Amino acid sequence: QQPVQSPQAVILREGEDAVINCSSSKALYSVHWYRQKHGEAPVFLMILLKGGEQKGHEKISASFNEKKQQSSLYLTASQLSYSGTYFCGTGGGGGADGLTFGKGTHLIIQP
Amino acid sequence: DAGVIQSPRHEVTEMGQEVTLRCKPISGHNSLFWYRQTMMRGLELLIYFNNNVPIDDSGMPEDRFSAKMPNASFSTLKIQPSEPRDSAVYFCASSFIGAFYYGYTFGSGTRLTVV
Repeated sequence: QQPVQSPQAVILREGEDAVINCSSSKALYSVHWYRQKHGEAPVFLMILLKGGEQKGHEKISASFNEKKQQSSLYLTASQLSYSGTYFCGTGGGGGADGLTFGKGTHLIIQP
Repeated sequence: DAGVIQSPRHEVTEMGQEVTLRCKPISGHNSLFWYRQTMMRGLELLIYFNNNVPIDDSGMPEDRFSAKMPNASFSTLKIQPSEPRDSAVYFCASSFIGAFYYGYTFGSGTRLTVV
């Protein structure tokens, strides 16, 4: 089943923070996060596994709560380069069974 | 490494014609995935292979779609006959699935237009 992402779109000023949420109706083993810029392929950001792990990537970090079947992506002090569409992908076996992606969150960073 | 290589980048074809999309995964990756992206449906998983073996093709929309992976360095997605509703961007992605888990590396995609 497709995970649900919220919000659908966010418009920020450079330097502001954002949170993107991803929730699933089924038990999760792992959550992946990707960013896609217009006309380009999705690019892998990070993967989180069972255990409530929180990971970081520059000023982008994420958390995973497997009990609530939710993950959140945190973008701190956003930069213009962070603009794009963010997708969460969920899988039952660490990605071995093929990821199911949410519909994406469009993030626009304005100067 | 050159990354995941897809060809062609763009394909325009007439309804009813056969279309073949090609993908070369990253060397050493043991899993390959075909996705289709449209505005309405987002990124849909069509089929994935592990060690060249198709594991799940439940996402393939119809019998008109078929995929093969004859060896570790090549895969094809074929649509025969093509229809206008098949117009989309088709992505191939590869990864290594094993004791540790890694993200997917996507190719640049093939933009298919069926007229």
